[in-house]
Amino acid sequence: QVLLVESGGGVVQPGRSLRLSCAASGFSFSSFTMHWVRQAPGKGLEWVAVISYDGSDKYYADSVKGRFSISRDNSQNTLYLQMNNLRVEDTAVYYCARGGSPSSASFDDWGQGTLVPVSS
Amino acid sequence: QSALTQPASVSGSPGQSITISCTETSSDVGSSNFVSWYQQHPGKAPKLMIYEGRKRPSGVSNRFSGSKSGNTASLTISGLQAEDEADYYCCSYGGSSTSWVFGGGTKLTVL
Repeated sequence: QVLLVESGGGVVQPGRSLRLSCAASGFSFSSFTMHWVRQAPGKGLEWVAVISYDGSDKYYADSVKGRFSISRDNSQNTLYLQMNNLRVEDTAVYYCARGGSPSSASFDDWGQGTLVPVSS
Repeated sequence: QSALTQPASVSGSPGQSITISCTETSSDVGSSNFVSWYQQHPGKAPKLMIYEGRKRPSGVSNRFSGSKSGNTASLTISGLQAEDEADYYCCSYGGSSTSWVFGGGTKLTVL
C-alpha cells in the first residue's frame, strides 16, 4: 500500500533553514505529482507547494514563495522541501501528499506529518 | 483565488444525516469539478473522502456523498456513526493559478 514518511522536522530559530524529506513507497513515485501541505497548531490545512511527476514544474503558495523550494529525487523515491528564512508563522505540521489524477486535483494519500516549530 | 467558507461546527445523532457546506466567494466552485473533501481525526493525517465533487475513493463508505449547487459544494454523511466524529475540510483547485485552497474546516460532533 502507499506509504509516505516525512522526516527532518524539529525546532528551528527564525531566519534559519531546514530541509524536510518524504520517503515514498508502495506506488510508482515517478508517475505522480507530489505536494506539501501544512497545518499550524490548532488551525486548518494550508497547501504549500506542488511538483510535477518529473520535477519540471513547481508552484508555491504566496505565503512561502521565494523562501521555500520543493524538489524530488525519483531515483530515491523521495520528495523534499527546502525551507529558508523561516518565520514564526511557518510553525506547523508539514504533510507530504500524493496527488491524484490530473482530472481530480486531489490529495489522495498523506504521510503522518513532521512538526516544525519555529521559535527563538 | 477566493476563500472557501465552511461552518465551524455541525452535530447530529447516530443514524441521522448531516450536510457540511463549502461556499466560495467567486464562481470557481460552481464552474470547477476540482472540489475534494478530507476527514481528519485528532492527531491524525487527513484522509481523502470525496474527489471531483462527488466521487468516492475505493474503501470510503457510501454513507459519504458529495454534491454542488451554484457556488456551494456539500458533503453529506448519512447514517451517522460515532467514528465519523472528526474535522472535515473542503478543498478547491484554482486551475489557471495552479494553487489549491482549503476551507477553514468543520468540526463534526456525533451526539
